[in-house]
Amino acid sequence: DGGITQSPKYLFRKEGQNVTLSCEQNLNHDAMYWYRQDPGQGLRLIYYSQIVNDFQKGDIAEGYSVSREKKESFPLTVTSAQKNPTAFYLCASSFEVNTEAFFGQGTRLTVV
Amino acid sequence: GDSVTQMEGPVTLSEEAFLTINCTYTATGYPSLFWYVQYPGEGLQLLLKATKADDKGSNKGFEATYRKETTSFHLEKGSVQVSDSAVYFCALSDYTSAKIIFGKGTRLHILP
Repeated sequence: DGGITQSPKYLFRKEGQNVTLSCEQNLNHDAMYWYRQDPGQGLRLIYYSQIVNDFQKGDIAEGYSVSREKKESFPLTVTSAQKNPTAFYLCASSFEVNTEAFFGQGTRLTVV
Repeated sequence: GDSVTQMEGPVTLSEEAFLTINCTYTATGYPSLFWYVQYPGEGLQLLLKATKADDKGSNKGFEATYRKETTSFHLEKGSVQVSDSAVYFCALSDYTSAKIIFGKGTRLHILP
């Protein structure tokens, strides 16, 4: 089945540790996105990538990093510089810019 | 920059009532417009879309018309069901920004 997979579904980390969230798609989509969702704030764009080996900062990139070495994969690292990392993280992909996005099931990160 | 504004919730209706969720947008280019739905603990699912002015998107009894003159894309359904309870997001995507921009979401509660 084609789709977009995020793992793990739940993730717990100690404060000060870096953590990497996985996002894989087999839809042959060029564009991929990472969003953060907090209660009452909707979705905020962290990073996006239109093509392999290229990515741009979104609205809240500070404290996060990404890579796009393969078309299928767009991992997100939450670094210790992110002041409030506890949130629900959503990855998405689209065939190209200006087309609909398909979302993964999300990863809920809790930092204690 | 591009933005999406949608009515704040929560919206509470009785089963079989008529639903309208307002959405307006600002964009420098010619965006595609989307409605997504999110059920608790899950990612977003595309509900419907429209890619140019006067297009009507429809799915599962929901409809929305792309109104360029009023920069709006209001979501409507003639008779809601308890199973429609979810959070609804209006979104836009265009080549100019290369991003997908979301509204803050509207939580919908349907009472039996």
